[in-house]
Amino acid sequence: IAGITQAPTSQILAAGRRMTLRCTQDMRHNAMYWYRQDLGLGLRLIHYSNTAGTTGKGEVPDGYSVSRANTDDFPLTLASAVPSQTSVYFCASSDSPGQDGNQPQHFGDGTRLSIL
Amino acid sequence: DAKTTQPNSMESNEEEPVHLPCNHSTISGTDYIHWYRQLPSQGPEYVIHGLTSNVNNRMASLAIAEDRKSSTLILHRATLRDAAVYYCIPHNAGNMLTFGGGTRLMVKP
Repeated sequence: IAGITQAPTSQILAAGRRMTLRCTQDMRHNAMYWYRQDLGLGLRLIHYSNTAGTTGKGEVPDGYSVSRANTDDFPLTLASAVPSQTSVYFCASSDSPGQDGNQPQHFGDGTRLSIL
Repeated sequence: DAKTTQPNSMESNEEEPVHLPCNHSTISGTDYIHWYRQLPSQGPEYVIHGLTSNVNNRMASLAIAEDRKSSTLILHRATLRDAAVYYCIPHNAGNMLTFGGGTRLMVKP
């Protein structure tokens, strides 16, 4: 069972370059999420999608964009990377959030991104 | 969001039970209490969650205080593979899980 697959596992990128982080899930979950994790700050939500065709902004959306063309894929794009976007990026998915917090999230193993 | 307080770190011996505490005194009546853990160089892993009643699954047990202001994650027999950072997260309707500092569990052979 693959669950959540993220690619690449790591990347070094020059500042100013465009980069797309890929995320695919095989659990048919409606909701998907992108988080970043920085040392000492825990995980912070960047963008989310409750269902295919819809997206929403999280806590730290600036400099990032997402799309949700189908249920399985949720790519995250950095249009013009900056050094402050150096981080570990985690994709997650869950059944529909619904009206309460009864849905756990399932995470991928992350993409380590370094912007020089 | 409800604030949580967890010990920064705890130690356990292998094969012994571990009780990981969490205070969430500002929790709302509709917040579920979720526990996740993060092993080194991996993404967070869902462990267990509950609302009011104690919960058991193959990984752990969750004991929730009657007033819901605290909870305890119980690992019945710690193994070396349980060494991780454990996060207690009150969660209600909405999308964001708010990860605090968590408890770093060290397991000694």
